[in-house]
Amino acid sequence: QSALTQPASVSGSPGQSITISCTGTSSDVGGYKYVSWYQQLPGKAPKLMIYDVSNRPSGVSNRFSGSESGNTASLTISGLQAEDEADYYCSSYTSSRKTVFGGGTKLTVL
Amino acid sequence: QVQLVQSGSELKKPGASVKVSCKASGYIFTDYAMNWVRQAPGQGLEWMGWINTNTGNPMYAQGFTGRFVFSLDTSVSTAYLQISSLKAEDTAVYYCARGAEGYSYIYFDYWGQGTLVTVSS
Repeated sequence: QSALTQPASVSGSPGQSITISCTGTSSDVGGYKYVSWYQQLPGKAPKLMIYDVSNRPSGVSNRFSGSESGNTASLTISGLQAEDEADYYCSSYTSSRKTVFGGGTKLTVL
Repeated sequence: QVQLVQSGSELKKPGASVKVSCKASGYIFTDYAMNWVRQAPGQGLEWMGWINTNTGNPMYAQGFTGRFVFSLDTSVSTAYLQISSLKAEDTAVYYCARGAEGYSYIYFDYWGQGTLVTVSS
């Protein structure tokens, strides 16, 4: 199972919005509504930010939102803050009853 | 509160074995699946597989069969990852991660702090 495709890096200024894409296939992202997003701060364990494409776990800021179109899922962060600087990973359930992660995207807040 | 506490860093020689532990607290251990995720230095996350904490049945992702074994000791709410015949390319941080309710191996709502395994002669 190949990793999902994410841009290596994105950047934005405080207050702006950014979007990170996650491209898979009809056997994963496009075939199921089981896409999630994780935030990994430097030296820390990942944290679940979005599940079921667009749902936020309790306690996650509503500045984080998710969506999906075809085989591509997206994470949007609005009102960018310095504390959002981190690595972001998407993941998806697959037709082989496994889970696959994206390669990760480094978000830089300028 | 839910906590997953992993064992400390390990330095092993090629060919040796290592066993990483993940002790859970703050919830009923057998109510949630346990997953394992690998992160090589400077690299992304790789899902290794999961273990059903009720039945003890493990499921391994492609690339993690043979040398990797998931096990449990439910009496002490602990999951284990054992890696045998270690290779340099096994050098990574290994995380345990609890499967979210109803999503055993799809979403991971709590994570251990990670265990660095270094394989070097």
